Amino acid sequence: AQTVTQSQPEMSVQEAETVTLSCTYDTSESDYYLFWYKQPPSRQMILVIRQEAYKQQNATENRFSVNFQKAAKSFSLKISDSQLGDAAMYFCAYGGGGATNKLIFGTGTLLAVQP
Amino acid sequence: DAGITQSPRHKVTETGTPVTLRCHQTENHRYMYWYRQDPGHGLRLIHYSYGVKDTDKGEVSDGYSVSRSKTEDFLLTLESATSSQTSVYFCAIGGAANTGELFFGEGSRLTVL
Repeated sequence: AQTVTQSQPEMSVQEAETVTLSCTYDTSESDYYLFWYKQPPSRQMILVIRQEAYKQQNATENRFSVNFQKAAKSFSLKISDSQLGDAAMYFCAYGGGGATNKLIFGTGTLLAVQP
Repeated sequence: DAGITQSPRHKVTETGTPVTLRCHQTENHRYMYWYRQDPGHGLRLIHYSYGVKDTDKGEVSDGYSVSRSKTEDFLLTLESATSSQTSVYFCAIGGAANTGELFFGEGSRLTVL
């Protein structure tokens, strides 16, 4: 069975600085998706970034980028120029290549942004 | 934003009572999901549906049942609520083809006393 591990329960970053959140996963599949979701205090789940496993190029969305290491089964999220609004719980998620779109989530990393 | 509505958004109930949470979507999507979120566990899949009257279990399905009589509605029922089912429940629908992402509702906080 696939698993997703986030080993950092909490992280802190100064405003305008860069922070990296870690995620590792385990799977025997070769085709899959990886995601980072953000959950602010409003509780809404917001997709931050996604990565297809077949793509070697790391995904980027504005200040958010990933370091996808397929062989190492690692999928870290880098937030550049951190802003107060980035403070949230961040979840890493794995989606298999099948049709059901079921996602498996890590336990989350709570990010605090210090002014 | 995906049109997903959960109701109720908050509910307090007592042990042993039945509870039904409703998820309504306006996206006509085939796949719908119920997750629960608990501290230290992230989000865990309870049940999912891949069409009207077609459902399957997730990793934490014990004590829960689901029904889907219409494409737009997916109901989660706790037949006899227990304190261990105190949680935040999220409904989600599958994203566009070939993207793999899920779109989530705003969550329903259930407290079982």
